[in-house]
Amino acid sequence: EDQVTQSPEALRLQEGESSSLNCSYTVSGLRGLFWYRQDPGKGPEFLFTLYSAGEEKEKERLKATLTKKESFLHITAPKPEDSATYLCAVRLTSGTYKYIFGTGTRLKVLA
Amino acid sequence: SAVISQKPSRDICQRGTSLTIQCQVDSQVTMMFWYRQQPGQSLTLIATANQGSEATYESGFVIDKFPISRPNLTFSTLTVSNMSPEDSSIYLCSVRGLAGAAEQFFGPGTRLTVL
Repeated sequence: EDQVTQSPEALRLQEGESSSLNCSYTVSGLRGLFWYRQDPGKGPEFLFTLYSAGEEKEKERLKATLTKKESFLHITAPKPEDSATYLCAVRLTSGTYKYIFGTGTRLKVLA
Repeated sequence: SAVISQKPSRDICQRGTSLTIQCQVDSQVTMMFWYRQQPGQSLTLIATANQGSEATYESGFVIDKFPISRPNLTFSTLTVSNMSPEDSSIYLCSVRGLAGAAEQFFGPGTRLTVL
């Protein structure tokens, strides 16, 4: 069964304390892995797409990487405004546009 | 990316009633989707809204419970029928971006509470 697991479920960081969020996947075939940020009461906001192992994408304090089994979202020197839930999703090679989402990591950055 | 709006943003409904949620996009898009996000859970795809034909439903979701319309390339509706408290959730529409792009972009969501 295709599955996406995110860890940790929740993370509290001090401002400036770098860390990484994990998204591991077990799928029949990966066509793309996506990272989103979701603020309370809002829809997910697109961050990155990764297609193949070894690929990396960066945006401000965020850097996403991909291996054959997992993806990491590295947060460097986070600020309180980075507090949000971070979601990853995978799209399979089965020919549909269906995403399978993980349950997310709730990040809280303390000033 | 497209600008997506949803109406209503939130609602409180009585058991046994129905609610129709609207999703409007500011540009024509090929694909629109409806998701459910239950408290503490991940997003689950309900169906793909197809323009000019019946929606394609995922396992566990049926047309009688979640009828969907998509009359054109910028608009879709999702109805939650004969509601029960278990239907309390956030309902999100999303669109696939430009042709050839894989990313989906999400609307702000509709928070539904069923009493």
